[in-house]
Amino acid sequence: KNEVEQSPQNLTAQEGEFITINCSYSVGISALHWLQQHPGGGIVSLFMLSSGKKKHGRLIATINIQEKHSSLHITASHPRDSAVYICAVKEETSGSRLTFGEGTQLTVNP
Amino acid sequence: DARVTQTPRHKVTEMGQEVTMRCQPILGHNTVFWYRQTMMQGLELLAYFRNRAPLDDSGMPKDRFSAEMPDATLATLKIQPSEPRDSAVYFCASGLVLDGQSVTAEAFFGQGTRLTVV
Repeated sequence: KNEVEQSPQNLTAQEGEFITINCSYSVGISALHWLQQHPGGGIVSLFMLSSGKKKHGRLIATINIQEKHSSLHITASHPRDSAVYICAVKEETSGSRLTFGEGTQLTVNP
Repeated sequence: DARVTQTPRHKVTEMGQEVTMRCQPILGHNTVFWYRQTMMQGLELLAYFRNRAPLDDSGMPKDRFSAEMPDATLATLKIQPSEPRDSAVYFCASGLVLDGQSVTAEAFFGQGTRLTVV
């Protein structure tokens, strides 16, 4: 069974700070997703990665397949970035199913 | 604008009542997932369908939950009878998978149905 662990569980930052959220998993995967869930509850997919690095605006996601580790970075954080960030992995043998981490609650204060 | 649509957005019901949640996947997507999110367990997969056929429903309590796809544009998740421990947010997600490979790059989630069983 794949264990997906995120750290930290909770993170409070001041506006403008650089933020890193980490995700580790235990078995081989075909892809990793970073999802964002806002207080209203809706889930938005930020990135899907299978190797390397992706960037979208102030968000950067990296993955190291050998180390079974991914990071989500937010540069110049803003209060509207406050949300739960969830790492989800698609195992090599599971088709399209996702296994989720517990999420990281990010609060960015003005 | 293509999106996964779930109804209702909120449902409050009494214990023992039947609850039906509906999901309209993105047109053309052939894979539909039902997830449940609770404070205690986080997000969990309940069931998923490919081309309307159930592929895996091992995450779903069989005695009270049932999931179906009457047609390609509608997926339903039914709880009968409902219990307070079923209170959660239920998410539907869809994607396109061909020959075992995901064609869609992203996981497309609906807004969720917040269920409260009292």
